[in-house]
Amino acid sequence: SQKIEQNSEALNIQEGKTATLTCNYTNYSPAYLQWYRQDPGRGPVFLLLIRENEKEKRKERLKVTFDTTLKQSLFHITASQPADSATYLCALAQSGGSYIPTFGRGTSLIVHP
Amino acid sequence: DAGVTQSPTHLIKTRGQQVTLRCSPISGHKSVSWYQQVLGQGPQFIFQYYEKEERGRGNFPDRFSARQFPNYSSELNVNALLLGDSALYLCASSLEGVRGRNSPLHFGNGTRLTVT
Repeated sequence: SQKIEQNSEALNIQEGKTATLTCNYTNYSPAYLQWYRQDPGRGPVFLLLIRENEKEKRKERLKVTFDTTLKQSLFHITASQPADSATYLCALAQSGGSYIPTFGRGTSLIVHP
Repeated sequence: DAGVTQSPTHLIKTRGQQVTLRCSPISGHKSVSWYQQVLGQGPQFIFQYYEKEERGRGNFPDRFSARQFPNYSSELNVNALLLGDSALYLCASSLEGVRGRNSPLHFGNGTRLTVT
């Protein structure tokens, strides 16, 4: 069966360090992968999209990598700040018909001052 | 510009009742998707509509139905509510439908439904 796995344990890091979040998937042929940020009581907010033929995407302090051989995406936040504390969701869209994004459960990031 | 708006923000219903949730997409967006998010889980896909036509349906029972209006707003209906339907219901709009590979989802802040 298709699975999207994100670490259920919260990631705690110190301000200024680089946070790295992982998204692993099985039994998908992804057309693209997206990362969203979700704050408590709010809807997810889109951050980055990376296509199946792209290896890396950057936006300001954010970087996403996509390895279709390892079936893994890494999401990096450099120079992290307490305001970056949130839950980060990855979402995959299956190619070959349905491009509707399927979400992982998300990983909570806590940045300590 | 207004983002995606959902109403009501909170709702308490009793088992067996019916509920209607409403969503207004971002101006210019023709696609609306509905997701259910249970505490501690990621959003689960329920429906997608594009240009008033259903373009996708998730693994939810027939008690769940939706529609999209000519102004692209949408309603999600849930009949015969169960305790397990308690969740945050999220609406998202996008420029394109399911075949729009470059269209990220823009979410509202959801309707918190509690079934007692």
